[in-house]
Amino acid sequence: SAVISQKPSRDICQRGTSLTIQCQVDSQVTMMFWYRQQPGQSLTLIATANQGSEATYESGFVIDKFPISRPNLTFSTLTVSNMSPEDSSIYLCSVGWTGPQDTQYFGPGTRLTVL
Amino acid sequence: AQSVAQPEDQVNVAEGNPLTVKCTYSVSGNPYLFWYVQYPNRGLQFLLKYITGDNLVKGSYGFEAEFNKSQTSFHLKKPSALVSDSALYFCAVIGPRGNNRLAFGKGNQVVVIP
Repeated sequence: SAVISQKPSRDICQRGTSLTIQCQVDSQVTMMFWYRQQPGQSLTLIATANQGSEATYESGFVIDKFPISRPNLTFSTLTVSNMSPEDSSIYLCSVGWTGPQDTQYFGPGTRLTVL
Repeated sequence: AQSVAQPEDQVNVAEGNPLTVKCTYSVSGNPYLFWYVQYPNRGLQFLLKYITGDNLVKGSYGFEAEFNKSQTSFHLKKPSALVSDSALYFCAVIGPRGNNRLAFGKGNQVVVIP
């Protein structure tokens, strides 16, 4: 397993602004992912953060709205750009290793409220 | 495409009674199946997984789950529920062509009544 931290743990932001969420892991991991959990909903994968290259986005998510960085094997950021109230969600990062059989472990999440 | 169905919104059970949370899946090929639990204001915690082998898998906090290929199910069970088991439970699946992308069910709220 891994110890995963996220910053900030929560934030309240104004419409039209941007917020960058950090995900830090205590060991090197192969894969990092970003998920969104809207109020009362399940988790939806936003993108896979690729180390040293552009993230791979899922259908319905675009780089201009959710730019992602992954400069090394222990750190990633997700930015929520030009926010609207519909972006109010919990954003979670997860980490995995070599294959689909490996357990993905999740960070504690960032609770974002957009006014 | 891969998907998970958790048919119930909420599961209510009396403390000490058996707890079952249902999950069915759809995936091409052999599935990798996972259960996670989410306590209020906390992230997801891994409970258990099925990859291959014995259909009955045991996990954390006394939970177990049974893989049934013919019924495409992976129901989560606990013989005797505790009040502290009250939480949101998610079933998830990855198929062999899923590129490590977990597909989650909608989640089930479990309420254990003292």
